[in-house]
Amino acid sequence: GAGVSQSPRYKVAKRGQDVALRCDPISGHVSLFWYQQALGQGPEFLTYFQNEAQLDKSGLPSDRFFAERPEGSVSTLKIQRTQQEDSAVYLCASSLAGYTDTQYFGPGTRLTVL
Amino acid sequence: KQEVTQIPAALSVPEGENLVLNCSFTDSAIYNLQWFRQDPGKGLTSLLLIQSSQREQTSGRLNASLDKSSGRSTLYIAASQPGDSATYLCAVRRLTGGGNKLTFGTGTQLKVEL
Repeated sequence: GAGVSQSPRYKVAKRGQDVALRCDPISGHVSLFWYQQALGQGPEFLTYFQNEAQLDKSGLPSDRFFAERPEGSVSTLKIQRTQQEDSAVYLCASSLAGYTDTQYFGPGTRLTVL
Repeated sequence: KQEVTQIPAALSVPEGENLVLNCSFTDSAIYNLQWFRQDPGKGLTSLLLIQSSQREQTSGRLNASLDKSSGRSTLYIAASQPGDSATYLCAVRRLTGGGNKLTFGTGTQLKVEL
């Protein structure tokens, strides 16, 4: 079946613009995660959903970052008033359920803020 | 705070060589550990997942071991091939409240040369 998909794959924004990044998890996967990966670094956790409930948003770097998953499937990560330090690859992952399950990652969205 | 370190940061080997990648973590209270590979411009592909109660997992030419008490894991790749060239990331999962996040290392960039 289809894996995790993300759109757009690449996004260039001018500093101060708002952006919205979309994640389509694997069908039936309960858990959904967002990670931020800076160049040359490992991914860093941003937020976690179980169905539509956002259970952990401890990794969101500022109140400019907002994530939602209103119907428990597709998720959107929104970044308001983008800054140059927001430039990174944003990865989405989903897992079937529970703590023991493998997380399956999408290809990521590369955000460049000029 | 959990910190994950991977050594070496980069590795170049001739085709056919066996090799070991190292991962260490500071907090041994982990639920599981996962090894991923990341190809340039792509997302993460899960290679092996080891539960905290397990000592090792094998898949084809890959073998991952886990020593939770000492905070270490190794990924052994047998008979390396040019197609193994990628960045290898380890990640640990620790239950924190409602969270279910992975904490990643910075990766080992592997190049297998003909």
